[in-house]
Amino acid sequence: DADVTQTPRNRITKTGKRIMLECSQTKGHDRMYWYRQDPGLGLQLIYYSFDVKDINKGEISDGYSVSRQAQAKFSLSLESAIPNQTALYFCATSGAGGPSDTQYFGPGTRLTVL
Amino acid sequence: AQSVTQPDIHITVSEGASLELRCNYSYGATPYLFWYVQSPGQGLQLLLKYFSGDTLVQGIKGFEAEFKRSQSSFNLRKPSVHWSDAAEYFCAVGAKAGGTSYGKLTFGQGTILTVHP
Repeated sequence: DADVTQTPRNRITKTGKRIMLECSQTKGHDRMYWYRQDPGLGLQLIYYSFDVKDINKGEISDGYSVSRQAQAKFSLSLESAIPNQTALYFCATSGAGGPSDTQYFGPGTRLTVL
Repeated sequence: AQSVTQPDIHITVSEGASLELRCNYSYGATPYLFWYVQSPGQGLQLLLKYFSGDTLVQGIKGFEAEFKRSQSSFNLRKPSVHWSDAAEYFCAVGAKAGGTSYGKLTFGQGTILTVHP
């Protein structure tokens, strides 16, 4: 079984709809992250969480919100989706060792907003 | 703030040829450097990382990278490419964020590798 899972893997929605992307991990890590990937831009950090009670904005948090329901679960919500949020979204986890810690990525969710 | 540049958007090599993917970073202190690979339809997988010690780092799948502080570079190399190496490759730099030990990762734009038979 994969260590980091994301659901759904693909989603098509309409402008203005609310949508939630879910991430679960079995690595026992405290730290979790949400990134979006756009062609030619690499990955950009949306939100990150050090633990259940510690959530922080990343580089591009506008239009997004998150919820850390448990150590193993971190959800990303788009309250009112817009077409320029069409992208590939990745969840990642890491331990608490610091800047040299490896981040482990889920398989991604491809979101299309029409 | 740190930044990463991967100058080559797309590289094509023949199977069996050598490979070098370029990565340049900007960061004021000693960086923590990573190379990740993304195969089609997959998440990112760590190939190797550097944070101290020997500047030549060995990774998985026969890849290596060399940290050159004077050139602010961390180029990825492989002596003989296999068709299964076709993927997108990302260089990233990790740095402390504020007063915490959190490693904020900044990614380059990615390099797409195509392998011809």
